[in-house]
Amino acid sequence: GQQVMQIPQYQHVQEGEDFTTYCNSSTTLSNIQWYKQRPGGHPVFLIQLVKSGEVKKQKRLTFQFGEAKKNSSLHITATQTTDVGTYFCAVASGGSYIPTFGRGTSLIVHP
Amino acid sequence: DVKVTQSSRYLVKRTGEKVFLECVQDMDHENMFWYRQDPGLGLRLIYFSYDVKMKEKGDIPEGYSVSREKKERFSLILESASTNQTSMYLCASSLFFSAHYEQYFGPGTRLTVT
Repeated sequence: GQQVMQIPQYQHVQEGEDFTTYCNSSTTLSNIQWYKQRPGGHPVFLIQLVKSGEVKKQKRLTFQFGEAKKNSSLHITATQTTDVGTYFCAVASGGSYIPTFGRGTSLIVHP
Repeated sequence: DVKVTQSSRYLVKRTGEKVFLECVQDMDHENMFWYRQDPGLGLRLIYFSYDVKMKEKGDIPEGYSVSREKKERFSLILESASTNQTSMYLCASSLFFSAHYEQYFGPGTRLTVT
């Protein structure tokens, strides 16, 4: 299936620091979705990006889709302990009907 | 709200047993998926189904089979459980057969094979 690399695998931050996770593909993507999984929970959809260069915001979360539609980032400003969890990207390209999930970035926030 | 339910949160089975994991969604979604989640490996797709009685292999189908006799229900079957199938199993559904629709996940079943 589609290859997608998500970095970093883990990120420790102090509460109040910013956090960014990246999702990179070698092929042009048709869309990218981001999910969050709290510890002990299941993945929950956050957002979808479709257009080249698209930027969307949800409170302290900023999602970007690269101009070439090959990469994306999720940035959290001033992390809080409620941000703890694993963030996954899910990508699709060409005529694929099923998205491929990245391996996720686990965010640990120290109070 | 879409609800995806899975038959068990925790399951312990012995090697060689036949194991059934059940998933039910209540929003008339066309697509249903089975993933397994292992530390550091993310979500890996086992099988998916885009319609009743239709099934397609995902990335890691070996050792698994599926059944979808009704639109709302998707079952994962381990014909002869092995210890390397110890994992978290997540079921998901989405509205249409397209990568542009978000997936709704169930709470997961943590399976231990001893």
